[in-house]
Amino acid sequence: SAVISQKPSRDICQRGTSLTIQCQVDSQVTMMFWYRQQPGQSLTLIATANQGSEATYESGFVIDKFPISRPNLTFSTLTVSNMSPEDSSIYLCSARSTRASGTARTDTQYFGPGTRLTVL
Amino acid sequence: GEDVEQSLFLSVREGDSSVINCTYTDSSSTYLYWYKQEPGAGLQLLTYIFSNMDMKQDQRLTVLLNKKDKHLSLRIADTQTGDSAIYFCAETFGPFNSGYSTLTFGKGTMLLVSP
Repeated sequence: SAVISQKPSRDICQRGTSLTIQCQVDSQVTMMFWYRQQPGQSLTLIATANQGSEATYESGFVIDKFPISRPNLTFSTLTVSNMSPEDSSIYLCSARSTRASGTARTDTQYFGPGTRLTVL
Repeated sequence: GEDVEQSLFLSVREGDSSVINCTYTDSSSTYLYWYKQEPGAGLQLLTYIFSNMDMKQDQRLTVLLNKKDKHLSLRIADTQTGDSAIYFCAETFGPFNSGYSTLTFGKGTMLLVSP
């Protein structure tokens, strides 16, 4: 399994500012993702963090608002830019580990503890 | 598009079995997962099942998959108060060999276990 840590665990920010969330995985993983979980809701995928290249964003999310970096196989950052109260949410880092054996492949996806963001 | 549905709430007494149900629409799903989220915490991977299986057992957890009806269930035997949490069903879709497939989550089932 992969153990994922995130920093900060929570923050309260002012409107118009930006916050960068860090994600560290304890082992090399094939893929890393960022999700948002709004209060009382399920998880929505923001983007796939690609090592050494631009992230792949889902519909409704753009790079200017959510710039993402992934400089190596175990670390990624998500920035929430020019924040508004609507950005108040839990942001979760996720990593997928793939093991291949012959033609068989096992995918398991793990999540970090989340960063609880409140924008005033 | 793909969709995953779950009932929103389940209440059981300690010691009883809990069954959480999930239906999905994408017949090309490759893996189906169950995650547990306790209050204020991230998601903990409980178990997963590959789409060519119909049952998987892991200690108190039993996962049943009915591919024909696109129905997945999680049974928790001897439910304890510590099992109280939100349980999310999730599926992957997308070409199996592409190396890139995303998770689609249900809205989660809140399980409340009373003493």
